[in-house]
Amino acid sequence: AQSVSQHNHHVILSEAASLELGCNYSYGGTVNLFWYVQYPGQHLQLLLKYFSGDPLVKGIKGFEAEFIKSKFSFNLRKPSVQWSDTAEYFCAVKRFGNTPLVFGKGTRLSVIA
Amino acid sequence: NAGVTQTPKFQVLKTGQSMTLQCAQDMNHNSMYWYRQDPGMGLRLIYYSASEGTTDKGEVPNGYNVSRLNKREFSLRLESAAPSQTSVYFCSSSRRTEDYEQYFGPGTRLTVT
Repeated sequence: AQSVSQHNHHVILSEAASLELGCNYSYGGTVNLFWYVQYPGQHLQLLLKYFSGDPLVKGIKGFEAEFIKSKFSFNLRKPSVQWSDTAEYFCAVKRFGNTPLVFGKGTRLSVIA
Repeated sequence: NAGVTQTPKFQVLKTGQSMTLQCAQDMNHNSMYWYRQDPGMGLRLIYYSASEGTTDKGEVPNGYNVSRLNKREFSLRLESAAPSQTSVYFCSSSRRTEDYEQYFGPGTRLTVT
């Protein structure tokens, strides 16, 4: 079965620290890859997505992610986090075709002053 | 353009009671989905509807039924609620199940006592 693994359950960073959240998936075929963010009390919003082309994709709010096909990974990065980045981050993978998204279990990011 | 709307926002049920969660989208999307979100479990797909007139089970369908009433609306029914169904329920939609990202509603927080 297709699965999505997020390595960190909870990450705590100081403001201005760099962020990298890991995401690996198990499916070997063509995939579309997404990172969603859920701010406290809000619904999920799309941060960025990869469908094809340049494996380094840039999203909103200074986030970027790199697709490494050989490692089945799609890690999320941000050079300098802000307090407002405190949220839960979900990696999601979609197999090409008539199949829905599969989400990872999420990583909670807490940014402290 | 309201996007994806869900009603109610909050609900408390007693064990054994039934209720229907409503979801509607105004983006002319073909595909709609119901997820539940539990701490440490991420989002798990309950049911989805790839297009009007079709529904399919997701990862955790037991205890739920769905109806794709028309292209806009996709409801989730709990026939006999159980405490294990205490969760936050999210509805989402996408243009098609192929390739496109999903847009999420604000969620329904359900407590079963």
